Amino acid sequence: DVKVTQSSRYLVKRTGEKVFLECVQDMDHENMFWYRQDPGLGLRLIYFSYDVKMKEKGDIPEGYSVSREKKERFSLILESASTNQTSMYLCASSRSAGQGSYEQYFGPGTRLTVT
Amino acid sequence: AQSVAQPEDQVNVAEGNPLTVKCTYSVSGNPYLFWYVQYPNRGLQFLLKYITGDNLVKGSYGFEAEFNKSQTSFHLKKPSALVSDSALYFCAVRDYSFQKLVFGTGTRLLVSP
Repeated sequence: DVKVTQSSRYLVKRTGEKVFLECVQDMDHENMFWYRQDPGLGLRLIYFSYDVKMKEKGDIPEGYSVSREKKERFSLILESASTNQTSMYLCASSRSAGQGSYEQYFGPGTRLTVT
Repeated sequence: AQSVAQPEDQVNVAEGNPLTVKCTYSVSGNPYLFWYVQYPNRGLQFLLKYITGDNLVKGSYGFEAEFNKSQTSFHLKKPSALVSDSALYFCAVRDYSFQKLVFGTGTRLLVSP
């Protein structure tokens, strides 16, 4: 089974802190994604990466950055956390489109609270 | 741009009754469609997908979905609901520009005993 793990299930940070969310997948997937989930808004894509050291902005990249130094690991960084970044953060991975499979596999999520 | 709509925020059904969770899509070209389920405090789990072929797609936990091109719909169905099916359900469509999925806003399914 595909396994996507996230470093923390729950996280509480103060306004202005730098926050790192880590995601690791064990299925050698090329693509990795970071979403935030908010009630009534569904999932919104923050950033994604289709290869090591490659990244693309999603729909809501402002206030976030990402790092992908190794294929299995994709990090989301909040440079200076703000209260409006309080949310559930979900990481996902998938094979590349050329492999004919498009479904994404998700981690358990990190519920981040910024006070 | 590709998009999906889930017109119902919540669906209520009694255990043992059939259930339907609705999804409509808007795409340019052939749609690649997906359903996911999210149980409380969990990530999303893949249920099923439509890429091509039969309009009735079977997936995990007894769920199936019917692709209807003329109505641009991809409704999730189950013949007999279980209380344990209570969860949040998301429909998604593949974005052709990038290797990403576009998700709907989700429908909460509540199955009463």
